[in-house]
Amino acid sequence: DTGVSQNPRHKITKRGQNVTFRCDPISEHNRLYWYRQTLGQGPEFLTYFQNEAQLEKSRLLSDRFSAERPKGSFSTLEIQRTEQGDSAMYLCASSLSPGEEQYFGPGTRLTVT
Amino acid sequence: GQNIDQPTEMTATEGAIVQINCTYQTSGFNGLFWYQQHAGEAPTFLSYNVLDGLEEKGRFSSFLSRSKGYSYLLLKELQMKDSASYLCAVSLNTGTASKLTFGTGTRLQVTL
Repeated sequence: DTGVSQNPRHKITKRGQNVTFRCDPISEHNRLYWYRQTLGQGPEFLTYFQNEAQLEKSRLLSDRFSAERPKGSFSTLEIQRTEQGDSAMYLCASSLSPGEEQYFGPGTRLTVT
Repeated sequence: GQNIDQPTEMTATEGAIVQINCTYQTSGFNGLFWYQQHAGEAPTFLSYNVLDGLEEKGRFSSFLSRSKGYSYLLLKELQMKDSASYLCAVSLNTGTASKLTFGTGTRLQVTL
């Protein structure tokens, strides 16, 4: 257990539905990252927060995806109008400062049917 | 663009030594990480290299050559529990962030 928690751990949804995932980082970490990982691939960067500010978004993050970190603590990732191609493991990570190791949560596995 | 290459699969025997190589071509290099990932679990941090040379941590060592864009992870005295994917990740300096760009991972199978 790295101290980063994610909920839910698994989510099965039908195509077209909206889903929201939550990440609680290590409390003193002000940097929070979202990644997506598909089978046989390494994690791919989606977006990054420093405190409550979203400072970078990958081009992978289409307009159906939105992430927030309203109080600089937990973060949510919402996917609207899910598609089968959104099926993946969504990983959250946090770090204390740039260049330091990122601690990953257990991930939320999304299956879109 | 960013390009990170590592072998897809490796097999080694319990008690042996294995070296997993990683080559990268990136801009804004800020360091290289190695993570271990067991099936269905999150990646866990193993090592971090920002300067050239060897970093040793118990049974695990990691080497970096920035001029060659090359790193390796060395695992000694292999145990069955070391069967996992090993992810090479380059930290890119994008100003205030250090996002990680991962390779596809090397799946290591340790056999008796």
